[in-house]
Amino acid sequence: DQQVKQNSPSLSVQEGRISILNCDYTNSMFDYFLWYKKYPAEGPTFLISISSIKDKNEDGRFTVFLNKSAKHLSLHIVPSQPGDSAVYFCAASEAAGNKLTFGGGTRVLVKP
Amino acid sequence: DTGVSQDPRHKITKRGQNVTFRCDPISEHNRLYWYRQTLGQGPEFLTYFQNEAQLEKSRLLSDRFSAERPKGSFSTLEIQRTEQGDSAMYLCASVWGGLNYEQYFGPGTRLTVT
Repeated sequence: DQQVKQNSPSLSVQEGRISILNCDYTNSMFDYFLWYKKYPAEGPTFLISISSIKDKNEDGRFTVFLNKSAKHLSLHIVPSQPGDSAVYFCAASEAAGNKLTFGGGTRVLVKP
Repeated sequence: DTGVSQDPRHKITKRGQNVTFRCDPISEHNRLYWYRQTLGQGPEFLTYFQNEAQLEKSRLLSDRFSAERPKGSFSTLEIQRTEQGDSAMYLCASVWGGLNYEQYFGPGTRLTVT
């Protein structure tokens, strides 16, 4: 039973263009959502997050949108840079400090 | 703040052997999590500690797996009688529970069972 799903396993985008990563969830108890970035042979690093009481959070080139009624969130990266090439994981939590439930990841390749 | 560290980074073992991994969390964090990640999948929750108490274990954690956090600081994860299906990346993360959501991950221990 996958509670968090990332349906696109990979994404290729030209440098300078927008990258859009999508994530769907099924558990209505999730109240906080996070995006992590992972390079090979490293642990995931926190990127950006959003509380369920908000519908948008922005941090520099990264913006996360939450559509609670659709149980859908997305991460926008504008403009995309070659250093953004990595695997991105969507994660969700039911409460502060609780375990994270991850999606399967989307591999992003930004071409120069 | 030196971040979360894990040791070893890589471990190759033969089927049937026991292995032990160590995680040192961020010192002020009271919760420590273990996750497992297999190829092409996201990390999956295994177990967590609040201080020295182990509060939850996943169904993924068979009786061959045991974890400890004896003094509420570092933690160890032991796998007994390893099987090829145990080959994965084992990730440790820490967080200040009850206040923050963002967990900080270590670099992981990659286990290969031959």
